[in-house]
Amino acid sequence: EAQVTQNPRYLITVTGKKLTVTCSQNMNHEYMSWYRQDPGLGLRQIYYSMNVEVTDKGDVPEGYKVSRKEKRNFPLILESPSPNQTSLYFCASSLTSGSIDTQYFGPGTRLTVL
Amino acid sequence: GQQVMQIPQYQHVQEGEDFTTYCNSSTTLSNIQWYKQRPGGHPVFLIQLVKSGEVKKQKRLTFQFGEAKKNSSLHITATQTTDVGTYFCAASGGYQKVTFGTGTKLQVIP
Repeated sequence: EAQVTQNPRYLITVTGKKLTVTCSQNMNHEYMSWYRQDPGLGLRQIYYSMNVEVTDKGDVPEGYKVSRKEKRNFPLILESPSPNQTSLYFCASSLTSGSIDTQYFGPGTRLTVL
Repeated sequence: GQQVMQIPQYQHVQEGEDFTTYCNSSTTLSNIQWYKQRPGGHPVFLIQLVKSGEVKKQKRLTFQFGEAKKNSSLHITATQTTDVGTYFCAASGGYQKVTFGTGTKLQVIP
């Protein structure tokens, strides 16, 4: 089944403790992206990747890192999480570009930073 | 950077009434996409509009792209309880970055 998976689905952590949220897609998509969703603010793009080893900042990249060593995986890294990073995070992928192709979203990761 | 405003933020309608959400950009868009997110779910692609003045229909849903390619609308005729959710537009100015609107949360009262 074609899908985007994220792990973990829920995470409660403390300020400053490094964490990684994994994202994987099995559709051989080139484009992958991370979004955060906050009430009243919609979905805001954190980082995106056009292909392996090609990443770029979205609208809210501060405090996050990403890497794209393999086509299928696009982990989101929070090196020193802070409470303002408490949010619902979505990973998405599309065939070529998120701006012209359908984006397929993962189920989401709800992160709480205490 | 590119800004995309979406109104209204919330809409409550009686089942059977119509519903419209509007998306407005400060810059000319190369295309616009619409997504629906059910409560507790993830965004799901509905449609993409590319041409100036384009109108597309999906059953009771009608999507329009403005002549100047700076605005778009989604209209639902005779809402049903299955239409409940948040509707987002997603815009691109021609680059790889995608900007989502703030969303319109639709509640349908049976």
